[in-house]
Amino acid sequence: GENVEQHPSTLSVQEGDSAVIKCTYSDSASNYFPWYKQELGKRPQLIIDIRSNVGEKKDQRIAVTLNKTAKHFSLHITETQPEDSAVYFCAAKKGLGRLYFGRGTQLTVWP
Amino acid sequence: EAGVVQSPRYKIIEKKQPVAFWCNPISGHNTLYWYLQNLGQGPELLIRYENEEAVDDSQLPKDRFSAERLKGVDSTLKIQPAELGDSAVYLCASSPSQRTGELFFGEGSRLTVL
Repeated sequence: GENVEQHPSTLSVQEGDSAVIKCTYSDSASNYFPWYKQELGKRPQLIIDIRSNVGEKKDQRIAVTLNKTAKHFSLHITETQPEDSAVYFCAAKKGLGRLYFGRGTQLTVWP
Repeated sequence: EAGVVQSPRYKIIEKKQPVAFWCNPISGHNTLYWYLQNLGQGPELLIRYENEEAVDDSQLPKDRFSAERLKGVDSTLKIQPAELGDSAVYLCASSPSQRTGELFFGEGSRLTVL
């Protein structure tokens, strides 16, 4: 099956700085890569996703980049705010198959 | 629109006892998922339903875990007997179909086995 590795496991940034979380995947046939945000005690929620026919996607302060050759994708958050503090999970999926999640990154944004 | 509803939110039981979790997906969502989330880790799929058919249950420990989705709507996940290592959050999610990317998660059921 697919193996998704996520780094770093914890990330602390000052409010207003940028944050970058990186993930690698093992199955070159994976073609869908979502990012979920999970606040403490809450449900995971999709914040952005990208498909393998696109190299980059932006939505306001968040962006995701995909390098299919290197089999890695990254989440970029600019102008971080305290409400961005949460656990972020990357995931990968092939076709109609299952979604494989990374272990998560605890992002803390200090005011 | 109501989201995915799970119950109970919290359950504390002694080992070897049975436990059941219930999930009501978003109306019209044909695909339903049960995930296991251990502390500090990402969700891991236990079972995936397409309507009432289990299309992926390879990661479900069938000696003690069972699930059903009668009538292709709500679903129940059961553990019998529970072990200490089953302490975790059990997340239910739904999506309109297997082709849809986004999963809509419930709040989860946190199980503590003593």
